[in-house]
Amino acid sequence: EVQLVESGGGEVQPGGSLRLACAASGFTSSHYWMSWVRQAPGKGLQWVANINQAGSEEYYLDSVKGRFTISRDNAKNSLYLQMTSLRAEDTAVYFCARAMIDYEYWGQGTLVTVSA
Amino acid sequence: QSALTQPASVSGSPGQSITISCTGSSSDIAYYNFVSWYQQHPGKAPKLLIYDVTDRPSGVSSRFSGSKSDNTASLTISGLQAEDEADYYCSSYTSSQTVIFGGGTKLTVL
Repeated sequence: EVQLVESGGGEVQPGGSLRLACAASGFTSSHYWMSWVRQAPGKGLQWVANINQAGSEEYYLDSVKGRFTISRDNAKNSLYLQMTSLRAEDTAVYFCARAMIDYEYWGQGTLVTVSA
Repeated sequence: QSALTQPASVSGSPGQSITISCTGSSSDIAYYNFVSWYQQHPGKAPKLLIYDVTDRPSGVSSRFSGSKSDNTASLTISGLQAEDEADYYCSSYTSSQTVIFGGGTKLTVL
């Protein structure tokens, strides 16, 4: 059974940093692109970033470029999102999802709250 | 980049059909046949209903169908059921090699 489990969310002050992790199981994650998608409270879905199988290609939402870094460790079947210079508008539930564009599998999400 | 445009809400009675539109631009929906649709119930992760404009993942009911014309994609739900009440989102791949979602549509089953 395919499972994606996010962790690392929490409350952080503006300007702070946080590292999210996504543990994949039930499939060989090195065979797939992986992505992060977020959802602010009461709002819609917003794509954040994706990364190819080898970790050699990364793409980002314009508003997070230079602040967020997506990475992966295929040996650990894990995906990461390093978030720095966090802003109030980054407050959201962050989901990891399998694939580049058609997300058939999602995690349950981890909540990131940026507040003073 | 602005979100794809969806109606904020639609409604229908059980058994009826409804269609949700999703309007983009020449840089996304019109550019590729990589449009997806998702259903999301409150507090849950989204569920993929349609990918590549018209294809359904295994296990998704045939009551859900997708189409596209120029820069507008559409999701049609036929034989509306109470459990279809949820939020629906479209998404598209873009010419900038990013992914863009629609703002979401709340479906109410009357």
